[in-house]
Amino acid sequence: DTGVSQNPRHKITKRGQNVTFRCDPISEHNRLYWYRQTLGQGPEFLTYFQNEAQLEKSRLLSDRFSAERPKGSFSTLEIQRTEQGDSAMYLCASSSDIAGGASTDTQYFGPGTRLTVL
Amino acid sequence: AQTVTQSQPEMSVQEAETVTLSCTYDTSESDYYLFWYKQPPSRQMILVIRQEAYKQQNATENRFSVNFQKAAKSFSLKISDSQLGDAAMYFCAPNTGFQKLVFGTGTRLLVSP
Repeated sequence: DTGVSQNPRHKITKRGQNVTFRCDPISEHNRLYWYRQTLGQGPEFLTYFQNEAQLEKSRLLSDRFSAERPKGSFSTLEIQRTEQGDSAMYLCASSSDIAGGASTDTQYFGPGTRLTVL
Repeated sequence: AQTVTQSQPEMSVQEAETVTLSCTYDTSESDYYLFWYKQPPSRQMILVIRQEAYKQQNATENRFSVNFQKAAKSFSLKISDSQLGDAAMYFCAPNTGFQKLVFGTGTRLLVSP
C-alpha cells in the first residue's frame, strides 16, 4: 500500500488553457473523491466516484470541469478554459466501502496538485 | 447545508503541554462519523482520529483524544504532551451522508520549545 498518489504535483498554465490531473487511489479502494482547497480555507468537495460511477457532483463543479474514473481505478480531473479563479490545490482521496453503508469509511488523501493559472 | 465551525483560527502550545481544539457542526443525520485531519506545511492531509457518532465512548489515539458531545454537536480534539511535529493546520470534518467530508476553516497550531 503506497498511499494515494497525484500527478502532477504542480501545474502552471495560462488562462484559457486546458489542464488534466490524475489521481491513483490506494489499491482496492472503491471510492474516490476530489476536493478543492484555496489558500486559508478547508477543502471543498467537488465530486465522488464509487467504482466507475460518478455518484455526486458539487455545484462548484461547473461545466468546465469533468472527472472520470473509467475502469474504477485511477481518476482524471480536467478543467477546460482555465480561469484565474481556478487556482487552488486539488486534492484526491480514496476510501473503502467495507461496511457497505453510508458515512462509514475513512478517506485517505493524496499530496494534491497545486494549480496556478496566470 | 451542513456547516462546520472551528472558532479558533490559531492556537499556541508549548512542548509537553496539552491543548484543545474546538469544533461544532450542524447535521440532521443520526448516524455519521467525525474526523480530525492534520495538514502540515507540506500540505498532505493526514488522518488524526475518527469518532463514530453512535458510540458514547470518546475515541483516543495515542496522544490524541476527542471530547464528543452529540447533543451539543461538539467534537473537540485534545493533544497531550505536545511535540514540535504537531505544528500544523487541523481540520474538523464530519462525514454526514453522501460520502463527502465537510471541512471547517481549520485551526493553526503553533508549538514552541
